[in-house]
Amino acid sequence: KAGVTQTPRYLIKTRGQQVTLSCSPISGHRSVSWYQQTPGQGLQFLFEYFSETQRNKGNFPGRFSGRQFSNSRSEMNVSTLELGDSALYLCASSLRDRPEKLFFGSGTQLSVL
Amino acid sequence: AQKVTQAQTEISVVEKEDVTLDCVYETRDTTYYLFWYKQPPSGELVFLIRRNSFDEQNEISGRYSWNFQKSTSSFNFTITASQVVDSAVYFCALRINQAGTALIFGKGTTLSVSS
Repeated sequence: KAGVTQTPRYLIKTRGQQVTLSCSPISGHRSVSWYQQTPGQGLQFLFEYFSETQRNKGNFPGRFSGRQFSNSRSEMNVSTLELGDSALYLCASSLRDRPEKLFFGSGTQLSVL
Repeated sequence: AQKVTQAQTEISVVEKEDVTLDCVYETRDTTYYLFWYKQPPSGELVFLIRRNSFDEQNEISGRYSWNFQKSTSSFNFTITASQVVDSAVYFCALRINQAGTALIFGKGTTLSVSS
């Protein structure tokens, strides 16, 4: 069974641009959540989607948004990039009936110059 | 407010030594879940263990064991006879009952095991 797939693996953008990251969950998993990991703040929850609906959102500005498609694949978008958005963005998926066991992808490393 | 504290930033041990990673959590919720995840250099977080707030049994699984003490809000993780492959960053995390899959992570402990 394939794991959680995140693309691209690395991304370099400049301030003011926008970026879209993609996540394909494990087959059969309907819940997808996103986390930001930085050396200073550590791992922080961004948002969670289930059946194309956002169920929960972390404390991030509105520049961070996401969506989930009918096939459970998810994208997150960051608009008007800032230097501080440089981070590893991790996606995780889970079964609906076992929301506590998360399976993580290897992440997208975003660098904002 | 919920919080997870991992006071140990880095630990270095020699192979075959036992090592304990400390985790202290804060929450006012009576129902919550605690986790340990491992992050190897490849980046993905690997689930190790989950513990419910109402289940105080401690477990041993192979070389891993966990010690959950509700009275001190601690959820410590021990690796027995450490191996080089155990080198990674270990995260303790908390989920409260109403928060879906949202986890609150500690800052992590970097474990280095040398041969």
